[in-house]
Amino acid sequence: KAGVTQTPRYLIKTRGQQVTLSCSPISGHRSVSWYQQTPGQGLQFLFEYFSETQRNKGNFPGRFSGRQFSNSRSEMNVSTLELGDSALYLCASSLVGATGYNEQFFGPGTRLTVL
Amino acid sequence: AQKVTQAQTEISVVEKEDVTLDCVYETRDTTYYLFWYKQPPSGELVFLIRRNSFDEQNEISGRYSWNFQKSTSSFNFTITASQVVDSAVYFCALSQGSSASKIIFGSGTRLSIRP
Repeated sequence: KAGVTQTPRYLIKTRGQQVTLSCSPISGHRSVSWYQQTPGQGLQFLFEYFSETQRNKGNFPGRFSGRQFSNSRSEMNVSTLELGDSALYLCASSLVGATGYNEQFFGPGTRLTVL
Repeated sequence: AQKVTQAQTEISVVEKEDVTLDCVYETRDTTYYLFWYKQPPSGELVFLIRRNSFDEQNEISGRYSWNFQKSTSSFNFTITASQVVDSAVYFCALSQGSSASKIIFGSGTRLSIRP
């Protein structure tokens, strides 16, 4: 079974631009979560999508948004990029079942550099 | 509020030494999950273990062992006979509830194993 894939793996943008990152979950997984990792703030939860709806949200400004498609693929968008948005963005997918814990599997990440 | 504290920022040991990574957590939930992840230089988070709040049994997996103590809100990780390949950043994490779509990560401990 293929793992979580993220594209692109590396991205360079300039301040003020916007960027879209993509995440394809493991086949059959319906939940996709996004995390931002920076040296200063560590790993922080951005948001989670399930069945095309945002189910959980972290403490990030409205410049960070996301969506999920009917095939569970997810995209996150950052508008008006700032230098501080330079980070590794990780996506995780999980199989949402009726009971029990639904483990998250992480992708390799997209490293975004804002100049 | 939920919080995970990894007080050890960096640890360096010589190969074959045993090393323990500390993790202390805070939560008001009665149902929660604790995790350890490994992040090698490639960046991808590798899942190591999950424990739920009702299972305080210690676990051993090869050279790895985990000690979960609710009384002290700790979930420590020990590597026995460390190897150079164990060099990575290790994250302790906590999720709330049973569906656990939002994971709170500690700041990580960078472990370096010297030959």
